[in-house]
Amino acid sequence: EAQVTQNPRYLITVTGKKLTVTCSQNMNHEYMSWYRQDPGLGLRQIYYSMNVEVTDKGDVPEGYKVSRKEKRNFPLILESPSPNQTSLYFCASSPGGAYYGYTFGSGTRLTVV
Amino acid sequence: AQRVTQPEKLLSVFKGAPVELKCNYSYSGSPELFWYVQYSRQRLQLLLRHISRESIKGFTADLNKGETSFHLKKPFAQEEDSAMYYCALPQGAQKLVFGQGTRLTINP
Repeated sequence: EAQVTQNPRYLITVTGKKLTVTCSQNMNHEYMSWYRQDPGLGLRQIYYSMNVEVTDKGDVPEGYKVSRKEKRNFPLILESPSPNQTSLYFCASSPGGAYYGYTFGSGTRLTVV
Repeated sequence: AQRVTQPEKLLSVFKGAPVELKCNYSYSGSPELFWYVQYSRQRLQLLLRHISRESIKGFTADLNKGETSFHLKKPFAQEEDSAMYYCALPQGAQKLVFGQGTRLTINP
């Protein structure tokens, strides 16, 4: 089944403890992206990648890192999480970018205490 | 920059009644627009896109360039339509810009 897989689905962590949210897609898509979803703010892009080793900042990149060493994987790294990063995170992939639409993962609900 | 506005945060209609979820956009060219749906605690799913002109689950959306709108419509609402709906517009190839979403509730 074609899909975007994120792990974990739920995560509670403490301030300052580094964490990684994994994202993998099996559709051979070039484009991948991370969004965060917050009440009243909708979805905002954190980072995106147009291909292996090509990444760039979205609208809200502060406090996050990404890497794209392989086409299928696009992990989101929080080096020192803070409570304002408590959110619902979505990974997404697309064959050709935003004009083709994105396929989304199931989401990761992160709580930083 | 492109912008998408969904003026209604909440919309409640009765089962069997018509539904219209509003979406307005700001873009100077010929836009490619999308509607995504998010059922409770699930991923965002592509509902329909402007260019394909499909009807999915009874929903349709027509692009009105004069009014810069892409409203989502369904003639007869069903209880399973209760969900969060997002209108989205590409900003370059790298990003979809989303509206803030409309929570649709279908009352029995």
